[in-house]
Amino acid sequence: EDKVVQSPLSLVVHEGDTVTLNCSYEVTNFRSLLWYKQEKKAPTFLFMLTSSGIEKKSGRLSSILDNKELFSILNITATQTGDSAVYLCVNYGGSQGNLIFGKGTKLSVKP
Amino acid sequence: EAQVTQNPRYLITVTGKKLTVTCSQNMNHEYMSWYRQDPGLGLRQIYYSMNVEVTDKGDVPEGYKVSRKEKRNFPLILESPSPNQTSLYFCASSPLGLAGAYNEQFFGPGTRLTVL
Repeated sequence: EDKVVQSPLSLVVHEGDTVTLNCSYEVTNFRSLLWYKQEKKAPTFLFMLTSSGIEKKSGRLSSILDNKELFSILNITATQTGDSAVYLCVNYGGSQGNLIFGKGTKLSVKP
Repeated sequence: EAQVTQNPRYLITVTGKKLTVTCSQNMNHEYMSWYRQDPGLGLRQIYYSMNVEVTDKGDVPEGYKVSRKEKRNFPLILESPSPNQTSLYFCASSPLGLAGAYNEQFFGPGTRLTVL
């Protein structure tokens, strides 16, 4: 059965800390892995990763994929209170068009 | 403005009363999908559509129907809603890339449904 597992489920840090969110996956016909940020509304897109070992960066956020060990990490440096959200890891895999979501990591950044 | 719209945004209904949640996108995307989001379970895919008249079951299709008669619209139909379908529902669309739909999903604002 295809699955995406995120860890930790919840994380509380202080402003300025660096955090690493983890996503491991087992999917048939892997195509890509995506990260989303969800505040109190619809998810917003962060990154899409298809190639192993290539880091994607956007400001203080970065992500990398290892499709031999079947995991991805999302790093956030110098965290701010505005980074507080649920971070979702998503895989395209399984049958064509099927999306598999992890349960998310809830990040709380305290001032 | 490129967007995915859903209606209604909030709905309270009673068991057994058929309802439809509409979803429309103006980006000419081939791929559309419905999800439900529940505490502790995350987002789960209900149905998806790779193009007009092509729909497939996701992970939790029971109790739902969809149709894709036009490219821009992908309504979600609950023929006989039950309390366990109380949830937050998202519609999303994306363009189709090579080898399938592996591009960024654009999400609608969500529909909060309560079935009493």
